[in-house]
Amino acid sequence: LAKTTQPISMDSYEGQEVNITCSHNNIATNDYITWYQQFPSQGPRFIIQGYKTKVTNEVASLFIPADRKSSTLSLPRVSLSDTAVYYCLVGFMDSNYQLIWGAGTKLIIKP
Amino acid sequence: DSGVTQTPKHLITATGQRVTLRCSPRSGDLSVYWYQQSLDQGLQFLIQYYNGEERAKGNILERFSAQQFPDLHSELNLSSLELGDSALYFCASSSGSGGGTDTQYFGPGTRLTVL
Repeated sequence: LAKTTQPISMDSYEGQEVNITCSHNNIATNDYITWYQQFPSQGPRFIIQGYKTKVTNEVASLFIPADRKSSTLSLPRVSLSDTAVYYCLVGFMDSNYQLIWGAGTKLIIKP
Repeated sequence: DSGVTQTPKHLITATGQRVTLRCSPRSGDLSVYWYQQSLDQGLQFLIQYYNGEERAKGNILERFSAQQFPDLHSELNLSSLELGDSALYFCASSSGSGGGTDTQYFGPGTRLTVL
């Protein structure tokens, strides 16, 4: 059964590093893992995408272990404006190909 | 601004009615996706079109239908509306035919309220 699992919510403080993990046991062999950020009443926005090992851009890093059964989004030195819901998006191959969104992790940053 | 436009921004209607939501994708994008997001819930994938053809189907009710026109804009039709259909409806577009490597760009959403 194709499924992604993320923590429902997380709290952290300004200036800290935050790591959000998504598990995806049956990820399709050649597919990428993508993370999106969503603020209230706005559409989700692309953050980062990767296939394996580590990817870094100007806002985040993505760590993917060799077995690719999970991925960790890392937000360095968070600020209040990083308070949002974070979704992982993964492709699965069951009887047919499906793109599955995680349920989302609500991240709250405190001053 | 993602480049994806959705109209209207807000829609208030009564139970049993029918409404049409419109989406214009980013210039050059061939795929359009529709999502439903109820209050404080995650994204529910409804349907995807690629270059005018249905590409993938999610949890779309039989009362809902969609199409993508030759100019690539898309419409989502919701009929026999129920209170539970009240939600934010997002449209997204991508340049490819879908899949995990295809970045989706989301519109601002249409907030539907059914009274």
